[in-house]
Amino acid sequence: DTEVTQTPKHLVMGMTNKKSLKCEQHMGHRAMYWYKQKAKKPPELMFVYSYEKLSINESVPSRFSPECPNSSLLNLHLHALQPEDSALYLCASRERAQETQYFGPGTRLLVL
Amino acid sequence: SQQGEEDPQALSIQEGENATMNCSYKTSINNLQWYRQNSGRGLVHLILIRSNEREKHSGRLRVTLDTSKKSSSLLITASRAADTASYFCATAFYGQNFVFGPGTRLSVLP
Repeated sequence: DTEVTQTPKHLVMGMTNKKSLKCEQHMGHRAMYWYKQKAKKPPELMFVYSYEKLSINESVPSRFSPECPNSSLLNLHLHALQPEDSALYLCASRERAQETQYFGPGTRLLVL
Repeated sequence: SQQGEEDPQALSIQEGENATMNCSYKTSINNLQWYRQNSGRGLVHLILIRSNEREKHSGRLRVTLDTSKKSSSLLITASRAADTASYFCATAFYGQNFVFGPGTRLSVLP
């Protein structure tokens, strides 16, 4: 199984809502990533979890809160988002450092 | 700062033609990878070339790497409409995370 799954596929939320994005992989990868991607731009790294510990937070606002409950799951909790946070949120995992990352299909988020 | 930069930013070709995309980067790398992204979907890994390799093939894909010029090229031969997508290069180095280039949007016209 070389698949990374993400739910939901689409999400519309108001600025006062709280929602969560979910990512799952069963490849035994020990590093997982959250990226944000705006239209016609490359993915921008948000968070990196390595062995279930947050190893990198690329100066992401606190309204984004990551969580890694176990080695297969990665969540991104959203609270009080702004319209400019509307984007495609991608999850990825990898087996070894600097090697191939496997991406999920993404969650398209619209903040109204 | 941005590491990989693709050239051209957009490319339109006819089906059956070859498509060449270039990527330049600024610092040392362990490897360089190319990914494809269909509209609004996740990225799919195409090929990885290590810093000690000069050329690699995978099906209709040919990647070259010139570490002296800090550049790489991706050639897609005999393109098909299904190759229409955005293509990103990504560089990797010890202790650093992937850095993606801005991407090339390829349109293959039937």
